[in-house]
Amino acid sequence: QKEVEQNSGPLSVPEGAIASLNCTYSDRGSQSFFWYRQYSGKSPELIMFIYSNGDKEDGRFTAQLNKASQYVSLLIRDSQPSDSATYLCAGNNFNKFYFGSGTKLNVKP
Amino acid sequence: DGGITQSPKYLFRKEGQNVTLSCEQNLNHDAMYWYRQDPGQGLRLIYYSQIVNDFQKGDIAEGYSVSREKKESFPLTVTSAQKNPTAFYLCASSRDRTYGYTFGSGTRLTVV
Repeated sequence: QKEVEQNSGPLSVPEGAIASLNCTYSDRGSQSFFWYRQYSGKSPELIMFIYSNGDKEDGRFTAQLNKASQYVSLLIRDSQPSDSATYLCAGNNFNKFYFGSGTKLNVKP
Repeated sequence: DGGITQSPKYLFRKEGQNVTLSCEQNLNHDAMYWYRQDPGQGLRLIYYSQIVNDFQKGDIAEGYSVSREKKESFPLTVTSAQKNPTAFYLCASSRDRTYGYTFGSGTRLTVV
């Protein structure tokens, strides 16, 4: 079992809609969770991190963490074509930092 | 501006040749990491270092070597023992794991 599971997509949403990206993790000892955006051919860029249960908002982005269900999500409101990228979910515990394989998001004009 | 610089951006390796990828950071981060990414795949950890003069193998260290003689620098050598080196190589650093990683812009290595 992979430590972090993501649907590879692609997830297609129309411009202006809410994009919902999901991630599940297996290690209950995980402390913090991160969402990275990676454009094709580029390196990952950190956009959000969360370590407490509940929601964390930053502009158009909201990260959600449910430790009981071992579930992390990223909501992107008012999606723009420039949001089209692969989104990597990552988590850590005291000893290791691990990445999911990513979900490809397409925002259609 | 603080950041991580990887060079070169593109690198071509002949069969049987060793090549070294450079990674320099001016973020004053203690920990540095090397990842490999294959097309459509996630990131796989090659080596990491949490302090100068110390480093640990990751999940796919065979055919690679590293050094950490300075806090700012963490070069990766891809040796001839690595049979399938064509990939996108990413260097990262972190203050600590709570804050996540900062990535360099990557080096794309191709065997010719």
